Amino acid sequence: GESVGLHLPTLSVQEGDNSIINCAYSNSASDYFIWYKQESGKGPQFIIDIRSNMDKRQGQRVTVLLNKTVKHLSLQIAATQPGDSAVYFCAENINSGNTPLVFGKGTRLSVIA
Amino acid sequence: KAGVTQTPRYLIKTRGQQVTLSCSPISGHRSVSWYQQTPGQGLQFLFEYFSETQRNKGNFPGRFSGRQFSNSRSEMNVSTLELGDSALYLCASSTGTAETQYFGPGTRLLVL
Repeated sequence: GESVGLHLPTLSVQEGDNSIINCAYSNSASDYFIWYKQESGKGPQFIIDIRSNMDKRQGQRVTVLLNKTVKHLSLQIAATQPGDSAVYFCAENINSGNTPLVFGKGTRLSVIA
Repeated sequence: KAGVTQTPRYLIKTRGQQVTLSCSPISGHRSVSWYQQTPGQGLQFLFEYFSETQRNKGNFPGRFSGRQFSNSRSEMNVSTLELGDSALYLCASSTGTAETQYFGPGTRLLVL
């Protein structure tokens, strides 16, 4: 089975609020994680990544948190906007090897205007 | 830099036919990975090519095959199409296997 999973398949958030999308991974050897956003009819778009030597990384309006103790990854979106409505995927990899990325099932984020 | 491009964007085939999809990676990227995306199964890894060699392969039947050319462009082929092959086929390129992958818009295949 997949080693990456998501706690919530759907998430509805009021415009302007913060969103938190969670992801659990089971492979303790994974050391590279990526979040992707996929809008309807488009391919997944890279949002932010983090390596296991960090526990937090910030981008523009997004923050990724990594908790290696409980093998948990989260994506925080500040001041959620209608354009953030999409499916969000987390992916993991063992950077030291040549194994492909493993993707979770995805979480659909719906922003309520 | 231009992004990953895939052709065609849409395709309709009938059962038993075969299909070839094309992917042009970002300039300088040598790794190309292919995925099948369906509502029920999510993103499933098909295979990865690096410098014209298949380096990783997912759990798909032999009807699914691919190749990569010296310019890093890649093609995937599906023979003897089945209804269940209807999906969005995504190509992603990167500088290496474990690096950030950038996706193309996908080819939507419908098998009738």
